Amino acid sequence: GQSLEQPSEVTAVEGAIVQINCTYQTSGFYGLSWYQQHDGGAPTFLSYNALDGLEETGRFSSFLSRSDSYGYLLLQELQMKDSASYFCAVRPGGGNKLTFGTGTQLKVEL
Amino acid sequence: DGGITQSPKYLFRKEGQNVTLSCEQNLNHDAMYWYRQDPGQGLRLIYYSQIVNDFQKGDIAEGYSVSREKKESFPLTVTSAQKNPTAFYLCASSPDGRENTEAFFGQGTRLTVV
Repeated sequence: GQSLEQPSEVTAVEGAIVQINCTYQTSGFYGLSWYQQHDGGAPTFLSYNALDGLEETGRFSSFLSRSDSYGYLLLQELQMKDSASYFCAVRPGGGNKLTFGTGTQLKVEL
Repeated sequence: DGGITQSPKYLFRKEGQNVTLSCEQNLNHDAMYWYRQDPGQGLRLIYYSQIVNDFQKGDIAEGYSVSREKKESFPLTVTSAQKNPTAFYLCASSPDGRENTEAFFGQGTRLTVV
């Protein structure tokens, strides 16, 4: 089987930097992706890491360490609109079964 | 515009009735998925399909059924056997290609069983 663990909730202030962690156990790991979901909305794709290291996309960056079975999403210059749930996801065995983590609710405060 | 459409957005049904949720995509994606999301919870995989006329059970398939007769369509039936069907249901699709993990989601159907 597979499991992806995330903290349930993170709170930060506007303008700050926040890191959301994801630890995984899965067979045939190919890469880790991240999704954002606002309340009542559809999840949207943020990033994908196939190799170790940091991938940067604007204010958001994602990191992967395959040896540690660990990744994180880094959000910089936090804005109120970043308040949402964030999910990591994997495809065990590289197949089309897309499995999501437990999700982290980020609250950005003034 | 290409996209993935779920209908209806809100659905109410009486207990014991089967109900079918619609999911249509015009992205020419091979893979399609159904997820269930309960309040404050993550996305749990119900069924997925990699190709027309083929589908596999996800982690919580009991009480649900699907079909994939056309590439564009992947309807989900919530049967009376599903003990707690009230939830937010999300459909998604992704291109063929095992290393491409980007999935595109519909806006969801919120099912309430009374």
